[in-house]
Amino acid sequence: GAVVSQHPSRVICKSGTSVKIECRSLDFQATTMFWYRQFPKQSLMLMATSNEGSKATYEQGVEKDKFLINHASLTLSTLTVTSAHPEDSSFYICSATMPSDYNEQFFGPGTRLTVL
Amino acid sequence: GQNIDQPTEMTATEGAIVQINCTYQTSGFNGLFWYQQHAGEAPTFLSYNVLDGLEEKGRFSSFLSRSKGYSYLLLKELQMKDSASYLCAALDSNYQLIWGAGTKLIIKP
Repeated sequence: GAVVSQHPSRVICKSGTSVKIECRSLDFQATTMFWYRQFPKQSLMLMATSNEGSKATYEQGVEKDKFLINHASLTLSTLTVTSAHPEDSSFYICSATMPSDYNEQFFGPGTRLTVL
Repeated sequence: GQNIDQPTEMTATEGAIVQINCTYQTSGFNGLFWYQQHAGEAPTFLSYNVLDGLEEKGRFSSFLSRSKGYSYLLLKELQMKDSASYLCAALDSNYQLIWGAGTKLIIKP
């Protein structure tokens, strides 16, 4: 149980376009979903935390107008990278938690974004 | 501020034992996680400790000392497939995960 999927797994786009990444909890209802970004050889950097039906909480330095997060249901959150630039190229990973004693995060497989 | 420290890289031999240390400073503490991450893949859960002591799970064990702000991950009978990054993450008082930069473990035959 506790499977999280992400789509697409890889995306290549031109500079200036927008890219949408979906994160789904397949066999549980996620109370909270998280969006991370990871650059090569670096650790995970939390971008935002989202709860179903409410606005996402963005980490300091993350532009909420550039990285749009929609958490429409308890099983789906989307991250849209608007007007993507080459410096947005990164590995984007989502995770989800369910009610538990310690809020274990279950990670999706990640999305590799390359902006040309 | 909040901080997690762990070594950048370690090398060990197949079949041996390796211990990866992690120290943390967080605003409040609700437990410590270890995750394994292979290159190009998302992290996978290894262990969670919230009480002092050693938790053993097969070849992997994790230890926590809350008074020292210290944890370690112990890997026994190392296999080549254990070559990966190991991420230490502490859960603060807001139940937010504070991540370490990860320890890249290289296993040599």
